[in-house]
Amino acid sequence: LAKTTQPISMDSYEGQEVNITCSHNNIATNDYITWYQQFPSQGPRFIIQGYKTKVTNEVASLFIPADRKSSTLSLPRVSLSDTAVYYCLVGEGFQKLVFGTGTRLLVSP
Amino acid sequence: EAGVAQSPRYKIIEKRQSVAFWCNPISGHATLYWYQQILGQGPKLLIQFQNNGVVDDSQLPKDRFSAERLKGVDSTLKIQPAKLEDSAVYLCASSFSLQGVTLNEQYFGPGTRLTVT
Repeated sequence: LAKTTQPISMDSYEGQEVNITCSHNNIATNDYITWYQQFPSQGPRFIIQGYKTKVTNEVASLFIPADRKSSTLSLPRVSLSDTAVYYCLVGEGFQKLVFGTGTRLLVSP
Repeated sequence: EAGVAQSPRYKIIEKRQSVAFWCNPISGHATLYWYQQILGQGPKLLIQFQNNGVVDDSQLPKDRFSAERLKGVDSTLKIQPAKLEDSAVYLCASSFSLQGVTLNEQYFGPGTRLTVT
């Protein structure tokens, strides 16, 4: 399982774009990159998943460079409700999810 | 669609007592997971079921923890006897299948917060 490294915390203000970068230097050929979001007192929630280039959904965008050794989760125009912990995970198929400590995002007014 | 249900939401016990948690996954989800999340850390997988069979229990402290999923639907996780370090949130998650190429999307329940005194 590829190890991931992401910032421990980030601060932002409402309406700004937030980019959280995750490093995964040992990513394997078949691995996908997945991001989960966790609010206090709730279980993690799947946000987005990608393999290469760019993926976008109604919540976020995921940018993956050609070498796939890192990825960036982009949250457009964050609001107070985006305050949460964001986890970057790497793996394939039936591999178990290995969560790190995640990135604590604090959005202020 | 109903989400993953867990009960109880909170539990306080004394060390050396026993406790059980219950999980009902999303209907049709063959794979069920139990995680332990200690304050300030990410969730750690304890055990993974595919239907009623165990796929991975490598991180389950088997001297005190046990889990079952007898009919391949709901599941219980038991701790006996509890230790102070078992204080954590116990999360249940489910996913549609082990099959597939992409990393399977897991749906988490709200968790049970256990405090051992």
